[in-house]
Amino acid sequence: DIQMTQSPSTLSASVGDRVTITCRASQTITNWLAWYQQKPGKAPKLLIYKASTLESGVPSRFSGSGSGTEFTLTISSLQPDDFATYYCQQYDNYSLTFGGGTKVEIK
Amino acid sequence: QVQLVESGGGVVQPGRSLRLSCATSGFDFSGHGMHWVRQAPGKGLEWVALIWYDGSNKYYADSVKGRFTISRDKSKNTVYLQMSDLRADDTAVYYCAREGKWELTVDGFKGVFDYWGQGTLVTVSS
Repeated sequence: DIQMTQSPSTLSASVGDRVTITCRASQTITNWLAWYQQKPGKAPKLLIYKASTLESGVPSRFSGSGSGTEFTLTISSLQPDDFATYYCQQYDNYSLTFGGGTKVEIK
Repeated sequence: QVQLVESGGGVVQPGRSLRLSCATSGFDFSGHGMHWVRQAPGKGLEWVALIWYDGSNKYYADSVKGRFTISRDKSKNTVYLQMSDLRADDTAVYYCAREGKWELTVDGFKGVFDYWGQGTLVTVSS
């Protein structure tokens, strides 16, 4: 299975901060990578797919980049609604795997 | 609008079986693969199983292979997860999710989880 490693596991930030989360794959996944946001007690929500394509309705302050084995999710200006846990997920093969998650907390 | 509603969760003893259902509406059910994803309490997300749009192919995580079976009924727009020989580490919220944004490549379909249900809690305990 492809291992997905996210960093950091926890991030403390303030409203207005620029935030970057990194996701590394144990082998190349080209650009078959998605990012999800999850709030407590809720199902995850798709933010970005194919590494950099913004899902419809997702604010433009979210962006994704990368290819091969290294990927990033960036929030350009953190908003109160963005405090949540973020997961990356590879879909290069049929053994789909998620990163361990990054919890974005209020500083 | 797209809706996915899971049901069938509950408390079950180790070694017993349980069947989860996911009733869908608001989209062409026969045009999408369907997944089950689970989340143990306080833990991250774990993909469990996938069934292709037409039911012709099924894939499973190693942790459930041989114990869980995914199926779908196009007449009811519903996907199922039959779970047997349940263990304590199967305790989790189980989500069904639609495969969307898919592309057909030389390696098969590649898609993401674009819609999710609200989840159903399965607790395996004696």
